[in-house]
Amino acid sequence: GAGVSQSPSNKVTEKGKDVELRCDPISGHTALYWYRQSLGQGLEFLIYFQGNSAPDKSGLPSDRFSAERTGGSVSTLTIQRTQQEDSAVYLCASSLAGVDEQFFGPGTRLTVL
Amino acid sequence: QKEVEQNSGPLSVPEGAIASLNCTYSDRVSQSFFWYRQYSGKSPELIMSIYSNGDKEDGRFTAQLNKASQYVSLLIRDSQPSDSATYLCAVNSGSARQLTFGSGTQLTVLP
Repeated sequence: GAGVSQSPSNKVTEKGKDVELRCDPISGHTALYWYRQSLGQGLEFLIYFQGNSAPDKSGLPSDRFSAERTGGSVSTLTIQRTQQEDSAVYLCASSLAGVDEQFFGPGTRLTVL
Repeated sequence: QKEVEQNSGPLSVPEGAIASLNCTYSDRVSQSFFWYRQYSGKSPELIMSIYSNGDKEDGRFTAQLNKASQYVSLLIRDSQPSDSATYLCAVNSGSARQLTFGSGTQLTVLP
């Protein structure tokens, strides 16, 4: 079946602009995660959604970052007033409820000029 | 702070040899352990999961877990050049669903 999909695959933006990144999880997966991977920083957790429960936002680095998940499926990660340090690959993963195995999408490479 | 430590490498092994990748974690209540493979420019791919002490084998891959020593390892038998990648160790601590990742070990299998 189809895996996790993300769009766009690449995004170049200017400092101060807002960006939206999209994630479509594996069908039937109720848990959705956002991570980011920066050069030399490793994979860093951002936010977690499980069904209709309140999201775990504990990994968001600042209030410029927000995410929503509509209808328990597609998720959008929004970064407002982008900064150069936001440049990274943003990865989305999904899993079945109660199962820890997470499957990653191809990622969105964000470059802030 | 929960930490997952890996030797960054690079680790080089000849084709056909056994590659041994190691990982330690700091949170004693960790319950689930994973190995991901990440090719350059690609996203992480789950290759092994392990939940109980001991060994788990899947084809050429064996994951080993020792909770008392807070240690998890991955053995790759009969290494192939196509195994050349960065291997990420990831740990889930149960109450928090997100994974904590190590910085990865870069493996090169020499033909």
